[in-house]
Amino acid sequence: DTEVTQTPKHLVMGMTNKKSLKCEQHMGHRAMYWYKQKAKKPPELMFVYSYEKLSINESVPSRFSPECPNSSLLNLHLHALQPEDSALYLCASSQIEGITANYGYTFGSGTRLTVV
Amino acid sequence: GNSVTQMEGPVTLSEEAFLTINCTYTATGYPSLFWYVQYPGEGLQLLLKATKADDKGSNKGFEATYRKETTSFHLEKGSVQVSDSAVYFCALYKTSYDKVIFGPGTSLSVIP
Repeated sequence: DTEVTQTPKHLVMGMTNKKSLKCEQHMGHRAMYWYKQKAKKPPELMFVYSYEKLSINESVPSRFSPECPNSSLLNLHLHALQPEDSALYLCASSQIEGITANYGYTFGSGTRLTVV
Repeated sequence: GNSVTQMEGPVTLSEEAFLTINCTYTATGYPSLFWYVQYPGEGLQLLLKATKADDKGSNKGFEATYRKETTSFHLEKGSVQVSDSAVYFCALYKTSYDKVIFGPGTSLSVIP
């Protein structure tokens, strides 16, 4: 299995809703990432998990709450979002050690989020 | 600091034309270099990579060579197709950087 699977593919939520994005990989990668991407821009890093522990939070507002329950799964919990949070949310994973450590990321296909 | 610069486009080419998208980088050490492609409405896919100087990455007719002396990793394809229309991101990565560093992306449109 060489994929990162993200669900749902599309999500529309109101500003008072609580929802979660899910990301799963079975490549044995021990680093997992959340990115936010606005139209016609490169992805912006939000969070990094390394060995299931949060290692980087790029000053993301607390209305975004990441969780890494195990080495294969990464969640992003959403609460009280704003319309400007509408974007494509991408999950990625990578190896940390060994010969493939510098082979870059494997990305999921993303969740397109619309906040109304 | 570490950074990636690439021509932003948009680039518009006719089918079967030759493609070059320039990418240059600034980095400490010897990072790995990548081209990612993003088709409309989709996530990023790794197109090709090179992990050391003079390596050539290739995939689907695209090629790029890691040039340490010019700190460049230009993407080329001899004959583009309409299906190559996408945004192309040049990127660099080293485990000690903690994250991939992306260029701004180059939008390519190929017209029949």
